[in-house]
Amino acid sequence: GAVVSQHPSRVICKSGTSVKIECRSLDFQATTMFWYRQFPKQSLMLMATSNEGSKATYEQGVEKDKFLINHASLTLSTLTVTSAHPEDSSFYICSAPGLVGVYEQYFGPGTRLTVT
Amino acid sequence: DQQVKQNSPSLSVQEGRISILNCDYTNSMFDYFLWYKKYPAEGPTFLISISSIKDKNEDGRFTVFLNKSAKHLSLHIVPSQPGDSAVYFCAAMTGTASKLTFGTGTRLQVTL
Repeated sequence: GAVVSQHPSRVICKSGTSVKIECRSLDFQATTMFWYRQFPKQSLMLMATSNEGSKATYEQGVEKDKFLINHASLTLSTLTVTSAHPEDSSFYICSAPGLVGVYEQYFGPGTRLTVT
Repeated sequence: DQQVKQNSPSLSVQEGRISILNCDYTNSMFDYFLWYKKYPAEGPTFLISISSIKDKNEDGRFTVFLNKSAKHLSLHIVPSQPGDSAVYFCAAMTGTASKLTFGTGTRLQVTL
């Protein structure tokens, strides 16, 4: 099946710094990618929809200036957490839809962000 | 507003028996439902899905049932195996290539 990778898998940063997370579709092109966040023992919550060639669409309550999304190519989307704070510590997961007309989505392995 | 709910946070089943995980939804616009398996610190792994025009889909040990009138779906795993122990999420979507709305998850533990 389709493969989605994320880098890094784990990152620790100091409060106030910025962190970039990459999401790549390895064997298919994705004009749309999704970014989710999961807090411990909670569900996956959609943060934003990343659109190649246009601005990302953010879910209600998600600060677009804090979580910068750039869909640079048909295989790469990046999420930058700016001026990170400890409350931003979470598990960030991206996904990409499969073939056109196919409902299945493929998830990356996730990135564990810890802000100290 | 939790549009997709899994009311059982955990479930323990003996190896070899059937595991039944339930999911309820409120949005009648959902037209496709998926089940994912997830381990800690990993991304979800797709298990099985069902279109709203069907009421059953089977794939090996996994069967998903959909009751549209009740806005309820369930995942049956039979026989259950210890390797099935994980957190299971149901998810719903509207249209292809659209965002997923996840349920709250059910932690399944299959005991020996």
